[in-house]
Amino acid sequence: QSALTQPASVSGSPGQSITISCTGTSSDVGGYNSVSWYQQHPGKAPKLMIYDVSNRPSGVSNRFSGSKSGNTASLTISGLQAEDEADYYCNSYINTSPPAYVFGSGTKVTVL
Amino acid sequence: EVQLVESGGGLVQPGGSLRLSCAASGFTFSNFWMNWVRQAPGKGLEWVGNINQDGSRKYYGDSVKGRFTISRDNAKNSQYLQMSSLRAEDTAVYYCARDGFASGSLDYWGLGTLVTVSS
Repeated sequence: QSALTQPASVSGSPGQSITISCTGTSSDVGGYNSVSWYQQHPGKAPKLMIYDVSNRPSGVSNRFSGSKSGNTASLTISGLQAEDEADYYCNSYINTSPPAYVFGSGTKVTVL
Repeated sequence: EVQLVESGGGLVQPGGSLRLSCAASGFTFSNFWMNWVRQAPGKGLEWVGNINQDGSRKYYGDSVKGRFTISRDNAKNSQYLQMSSLRAEDTAVYYCARDGFASGSLDYWGLGTLVTVSS
């Protein structure tokens, strides 16, 4: 169960859009739509931002969107705001026996 | 309001055991898969394992398989993580989380409880 690959850091200016990638294999990200994204501020519990690749839970800003192409899932934050500065993690189901889940390595988003 | 409250963390010696609890409220506990996720100091999130609604299915991450056991008591709206043969690398904040969509998407999390494995 190796961690999914995410860039260590991504930065952008307020108002800009940024995209965080999450690369796996056909046994996880590429094979299933069970990809979710989490935001974590320092010292806080993670918060679900996107589930099942592209769905937003109630209460999450529509500035956050998710997508997938092949073995890579992506989280896009549009209209970047200071409060978006946080760590972001993807997560995917893995088709192993028995089944499992795996998180990405995490991406630090910095608002310049 | 959905609430998940972990307890039972603390300092334990290498090779020792510890049992974490997670008390749930504000939703029908028996309808949901439940998960444990951990985060070592300064590190990323790691999926520990999960348990289905009636406790008949349990799955674990490779790093804890054979040492950790997840259980639940639907009458008490609680899940548990029994940890044994603890190692220094098990030092982490342990979070209890609900799978809100039966797809591994964790929509509610507790605040976590810190487990420190050290002599």
